This record gives sequence, C-alpha cells and structure tokens, in this order.
Amino acid sequence: GENVEQHPSTLSVQEGDSAVIKCTYSDSASNYFPWYKQELGKRPQLIIDIRSNVGEKKDQRIAVTLNKTAKHFSLHITETQPEDSAVYFCAASTRNTPLVFGKGTRLSVIA
Amino acid sequence: DTAVSQTPKYLVTQMGNDKSIKCEQNLGHDTMYWYKQDSKKFLKIMFSYNNKELIINETVPNRFSPKSPDKAHLNLHINSLELGDSAVYFCASSHLGSGANVLTFGAGSRLTVL
Repeated sequence: GENVEQHPSTLSVQEGDSAVIKCTYSDSASNYFPWYKQELGKRPQLIIDIRSNVGEKKDQRIAVTLNKTAKHFSLHITETQPEDSAVYFCAASTRNTPLVFGKGTRLSVIA
Repeated sequence: DTAVSQTPKYLVTQMGNDKSIKCEQNLGHDTMYWYKQDSKKFLKIMFSYNNKELIINETVPNRFSPKSPDKAHLNLHINSLELGDSAVYFCASSHLGSGANVLTFGAGSRLTVL
C-alpha cells in the first residue's frame, strides 16, 4: 500500500519568510496529492491540492509542486503570517483508494 | 447545516467499557471514513465504507467495529476500551472515484480512557 513520508516534523520561521514542507510517496499509481491544515483543536481542512497531470499549482501565498518521476511533492508558503501557524499534512491517493497522510509538520511563525 | 457531524465531541470513560461515536454527513458523498489521531498528531485511517460495504480495514483491533445503517451514517463502536484507545477520532466523507478524493472532516471526538 501507499506510504507517505513528510519532512520536517517541526518548522519555525520568522514572519514574512517562506516555509517549505516536503513529502515523498511510494505508490507510482497515486495521482492525487492534497495538503491539509489543522489548527489547534480544529479539524483538518484542505488548503490546496494537485493532480498528477499538473506540475505546479498556486493559490495566493500557497503553492504546491509535484515531481512524479521522483515521487515527491512540496508545499511552499510565502510571506508567512502568524495565522499560518498550524500542523500541515500532505497526503496521497489513487482514484479509488482512501487518502494516506504523512505524519504532519508543525509550523510556527514567529512574529 | 454542518456537512459532517459527529457526536459526542468529548467522551471520558473507564477501561473495559464499551462506547460508540456517531457520524452523519449531508453532502451526498458515497464514502465515509474513520481516522484516528493520536497524541503525536498522526492521522491514521481505520475504516472506510463505500455504498455500505467495507472497502478497507487497516490493522485495527477487532474491538473496533464500524456500522453503517445507510450511506449518510458511519458509526464507530468500541468494545473493552483500553488506555491506548485514547485519541481524537475523526469522521470524514468524500466522493471516491471522482478523481480528487477531497475529504471533508467532522469536528472530531476526543476519547479519554481512564
């Protein structure tokens, strides 16, 4: 089955700096790669996703890149703000299988 | 209005007891899930139900049993609770096979076993 590795487990950045979180996956059949943000005490919520036919996707300060050959994908957050502080999860799945999540990255943005 | 609702939000109980957590979705999704989030924040899938059939069951003890009376509900029953069962349990739903398996999570049920 799918295995998703996520790094780093914790990340601290100064407000205004960029943050990058990286994930690798094992199943070459995986074709959907979402990122979820979980604030303290809240449920995980989708912030951006990418499908295997796309190499990069951007939404305001958030971007995701995908390298299918290397089986890795990354989340980039620019101009970080204190409200970006949360746990971020990457995930992967094929068309018909449940999402498998990475172990999460706790991002702290220091004002 | 809530898309995925689960109850109770908090559950405190003694070891050995049996308890249930209920989940309902009004999104018309065809697949529902239970995920367990432990103290280290790892999100692990426990079960998923598609059209009332169990389609995946990760190595979860058989003390845990999902029950789906219809495709809008997926309840989780736990027998003989153990200390290690303490966690937050998230229900979620999606339209599997749509090409983008977007999960909508419930608010979570925090289970504490004493």
